[in-house]
Amino acid sequence: LAKTTQPISMDSYEGQEVNITCSHNNIATNDYITWYQQFPSQGPRFIIQGYKTKVTNEVASLFIPADRKSSTLSLPRVSLSDTAVYYCLVEGSGAGSYQLTFGKGTKLSVIP
Amino acid sequence: DVKVTQSSRYLVKRTGEKVFLECVQDMDHENMFWYRQDPGLGLRLIYFSYDVKMKEKGDIPEGYSVSREKKERFSLILESASTNQTSMYLCASSRQGWTGELFFGEGSRLTVL
Repeated sequence: LAKTTQPISMDSYEGQEVNITCSHNNIATNDYITWYQQFPSQGPRFIIQGYKTKVTNEVASLFIPADRKSSTLSLPRVSLSDTAVYYCLVEGSGAGSYQLTFGKGTKLSVIP
Repeated sequence: DVKVTQSSRYLVKRTGEKVFLECVQDMDHENMFWYRQDPGLGLRLIYFSYDVKMKEKGDIPEGYSVSREKKERFSLILESASTNQTSMYLCASSRQGWTGELFFGEGSRLTVL
């Protein structure tokens, strides 16, 4: 199973770009990488998903190197409302079984 | 607006009681999931279902069972609740396939005394 490793916490000032990296050394060929955001007392919410290279949407970018053993979520110009826990998830049918392995999450604190 | 609804936000039960956690989704999704979330441990998958009456064990199925009699509803059952099952329980659903976006409910916080 593709286990994921993320930093436990990060701090950033408002307006800065934040990069959160997730390690997934055992990712399988068919697996995708997905990132979720979670606020207190709420369920996680989808941010972005990718398979390789770079994906960008209106809220974030996802960078995946050629070997796909890691991925980096990039949040441009963070604000106080981006304070949350961010989870990296490997999704796929690697090794013939459905995998939904969440990391332990990175708690991002945005400082005024 | 798509929705995953969990029947109870907060429950308090006693050791040995049988506990039912209900989850309903209105998106006609094939896949449904139950996770538990504990401080420092992140989200851990208990069970999932990819079709009615089908179920698969996740990473931590011990002490839990599930039921999926209708497509929109997925129930988590604790046959005999124990204090180490005190946790936040999150239900999610997704469309058919391995890589669909997960839609989560708001969670059910269970305390077992």
